[in-house]
Amino acid sequence: EAQVTQNPRYLITVTGKKLTVTCSQNMNHEYMSWYRQDPGLGLRQIYYSMNVEATDKGDVPEGYKVSRKEKRNFPLILESPSPNQTSLYFCASSLKEQGYTIYFGEGSWLTVV
Amino acid sequence: GQQVMQIPQYQHVQEGEDFTTYCNSSTTLSNIQWYKQRPGGHPVFLIQLVKSGEVKKQKRLTFQFGEAKKNSSLHITATQTTDVGTYFCVYNFNKFYFGSGTKLNVKP
Repeated sequence: EAQVTQNPRYLITVTGKKLTVTCSQNMNHEYMSWYRQDPGLGLRQIYYSMNVEATDKGDVPEGYKVSRKEKRNFPLILESPSPNQTSLYFCASSLKEQGYTIYFGEGSWLTVV
Repeated sequence: GQQVMQIPQYQHVQEGEDFTTYCNSSTTLSNIQWYKQRPGGHPVFLIQLVKSGEVKKQKRLTFQFGEAKKNSSLHITATQTTDVGTYFCVYNFNKFYFGSGTKLNVKP
């Protein structure tokens, strides 16, 4: 089954404690991205990757890091989480040959206290 | 810069009423996609429009792309409670640009 899998789905953490949200897709998509969704602000892109070893900043990259060492994986790293990073995070992937239809993961609810 | 404006932000309808959400851009769009996000869920692809004046239908949903390719709409005929969710448009030009979404609530 074609899917984007992200973990953890739910996490409560403390300020400053590094965490990684993993993302994996099984569709051989070259394009992957991370979004955060906040009430009243909609979906905002954090980082995206056009292919392996090719990452770029989205609209709200501050406080986040990503890596793309393999085509299927695109982890999101919060080196020193702060309460303003409490949000719902979505990983997504897409393929040019499919018109860049976006496949979203199920989301990760992150709370930083 | 590239922007897609979406209205309305919220819509409350009685079951059986129609619903429409609109996306507008100041620049010509090469394509536009529509997604639905159920409460507590993740966005799911509905359709993509690429041609000027294109109209596509999916059961009670009708999608339109304007003649000038600067606007698009999603119309739901005779809403049902299963239509509840947020609908948003997405435009792709080197990166993805998201409309802010229209949250639809349907009262039974």
